[in-house]
Amino acid sequence: AQRVTQPEKLLSVFKGAPVELKCNYSYSGSPELFWYVQYSRQRLQLLLRHISRESIKGFTADLNKGETSFHLKKPFAQEEDSAMYYCALRRGNQFYFGTGTSLTVIP
Amino acid sequence: KAGVTQTPRYLIKTRGQQVTLSCSPISGHRSVSWYQQTPGQGLQFLFEYFSETQRNKGNFPGRFSGRQFSNSRSEMNVSTLELGDSALYLCASSLGIGETQYFGPGTRLLVL
Repeated sequence: AQRVTQPEKLLSVFKGAPVELKCNYSYSGSPELFWYVQYSRQRLQLLLRHISRESIKGFTADLNKGETSFHLKKPFAQEEDSAMYYCALRRGNQFYFGTGTSLTVIP
Repeated sequence: KAGVTQTPRYLIKTRGQQVTLSCSPISGHRSVSWYQQTPGQGLQFLFEYFSETQRNKGNFPGRFSGRQFSNSRSEMNVSTLELGDSALYLCASSLGIGETQYFGPGTRLLVL
């Protein structure tokens, strides 16, 4: 069963526009959710985790248990945000990743 | 601290062969996880090792195996390679199970 769904494989926005990358999960327990980012020619790295409730590089993500979502948002996209973004769920000691969304910010 | 390193970075094999990939975790990290990354499936969890013992296993056939050494370095082995095994294999290390994972650059395997 797919536990993490990222419905958009590709997403393009203009520089300065708001961006939202969608992530939905299926898990009946208390989830721990993450966003990972992979910039071109760089390794996958943690962007943020919901338990820390922090903003990294202007990105925030709020866990909505009612909608089982953990969408990643940024009010004003920058060109350097262009990357592959993965949503991940930790269930017990195992991580489940979504298939990723490729974000392109158009100058 | 040096990051997670993986060797080799690129590998070409033919069907039926076997392959061994290596991962050196960040110093002090005792948990190593392996993932397969493909364009169609994204990242899929293979297995996780901690203190030389496999602690978690994903849904992959028995052709995929691994081990961890006393210095926390880990190897992954794939036997009887199939075309569909072509992928980027990522290793991630963490201080312990369930802790924040730090990824290596990956080994890109091409099976012909």
